Amino acid sequence: AQTVTQSQPEMSVQEAETVTLSCTYDTSESDYYLFWYKQPPSRQMILVIRQEAYKQQNATENRFSVNFQKAAKSFSLKISDSQLGDAAMYFCAYRRGTSGSRLTFGEGTQLTVNP
Amino acid sequence: DTGVSQDPRHKITKRGQNVTFRCDPISEHNRLYWYRQTLGQGPEFLTYFQNEAQLEKSRLLSDRFSAERPKGSFSTLEIQRTEQGDSAMYLCASSTGTSGGWETQYFGPGTRLLVL
Repeated sequence: AQTVTQSQPEMSVQEAETVTLSCTYDTSESDYYLFWYKQPPSRQMILVIRQEAYKQQNATENRFSVNFQKAAKSFSLKISDSQLGDAAMYFCAYRRGTSGSRLTFGEGTQLTVNP
Repeated sequence: DTGVSQDPRHKITKRGQNVTFRCDPISEHNRLYWYRQTLGQGPEFLTYFQNEAQLEKSRLLSDRFSAERPKGSFSTLEIQRTEQGDSAMYLCASSTGTSGGWETQYFGPGTRLLVL
């Protein structure tokens, strides 16, 4: 079974600074996708960024980028120029390459952004 | 695009009662997922529909839980004889299937259930 581990229950960052959230996963599959979702307090979960396992190039979405290390099974999220609105719970998630597969989530990292 | 909607947003019930939640996916999405999220944890998969067919169920989905998607549009999740351990956020997500396996699940706001 696939597992996703986020070893940092809480992180904090100063506004305008950079923070990296860690995620490791375990799978025997070769075809899979990885995601970072953001869940603000009392608001719905939204997709931040996604990565295909077959792509070596790290995904980037504006201030958000990932460091995907396939051999190490590591998928960290870097948030640059942190903003107050980035404060949320961040979940790393894994999905097999097969269509219609479930998402397997990590435990989450609560990010606080200090003004 | 109105997004995924869920109703009700909050439900308080007494142990032993039945509850039903509804999820309306994004209109063109043929795949619908239910997840359960307890406080401080990541969501856990419950079940998955493609159109009206329920294709996968988690072992978490005990016989007190049943889900339907009768016309391939909205879905309902019913919990019979609720227990205090059922207290959680129930999340619905939808996606549009692609042949390459590349899909993104879009989540609704969730239904928060409290069983007293």
